[in-house]
Amino acid sequence: SQKIEQNSEALNIQEGKTATLTCNYTNYSPAYLQWYRQDPGRGPVFLLLIRENEKEKRKERLKVTFDTTLKQSLFHITASQPADSATYLCALPNQAGTALIFGKGTTLSVSS
Amino acid sequence: DSGVTQTPKHLITATGQRVTLRCSPRSGDLSVYWYQQSLDQGLQFLIQYYNGEERAKGNILERFSAQQFPDLHSELNLSSLELGDSALYFCASSAGRTNTEAFFGQGTRLTVV
Repeated sequence: SQKIEQNSEALNIQEGKTATLTCNYTNYSPAYLQWYRQDPGRGPVFLLLIRENEKEKRKERLKVTFDTTLKQSLFHITASQPADSATYLCALPNQAGTALIFGKGTTLSVSS
Repeated sequence: DSGVTQTPKHLITATGQRVTLRCSPRSGDLSVYWYQQSLDQGLQFLIQYYNGEERAKGNILERFSAQQFPDLHSELNLSSLELGDSALYFCASSAGRTNTEAFFGQGTRLTVV
């Protein structure tokens, strides 16, 4: 079965810097990959979806890359702000394409 | 607000009991997914329904069952509860069969004592 690994459980950076989070996956080639944000005690919120034929996608201060050869996605937040502090989850479809499988997440803390 | 409504928000019950969690998907969404989130396991996919039919099963225990009704709301039934079932249970919905963008509810926090 597919496995998703997010590089670290926690990432601490200073306000204004760029945060880079990593998602690695194994065992198959998904048609797309998604990133979600989750605040404590709340449901995940969709941020970005990138398809296998897209190398990069941007939305405001967010940028996602998808390297199907390395089986890796990078999620960047530029000019980070304390309000960006949250847990960020990487998600892939299962092999049947019927459900999203989530990584355990990386908790980002941005200090002012 | 994601448009997905889950009730109740909190539930405290004793071991061995049975509870029902309810989810109303976003208007127009045909797919409903249930996830369990505990501190050590992250978000675990339990089961998916599409337009009333079960479509995919994940790590759902035999003590758990779900259904989706004609009005598209869904219920997750948890029985013979154990302490280890304490977790946040999330419902998500999406427009089509295949998961593209999923919208999550605020979750039901279940505590088994």
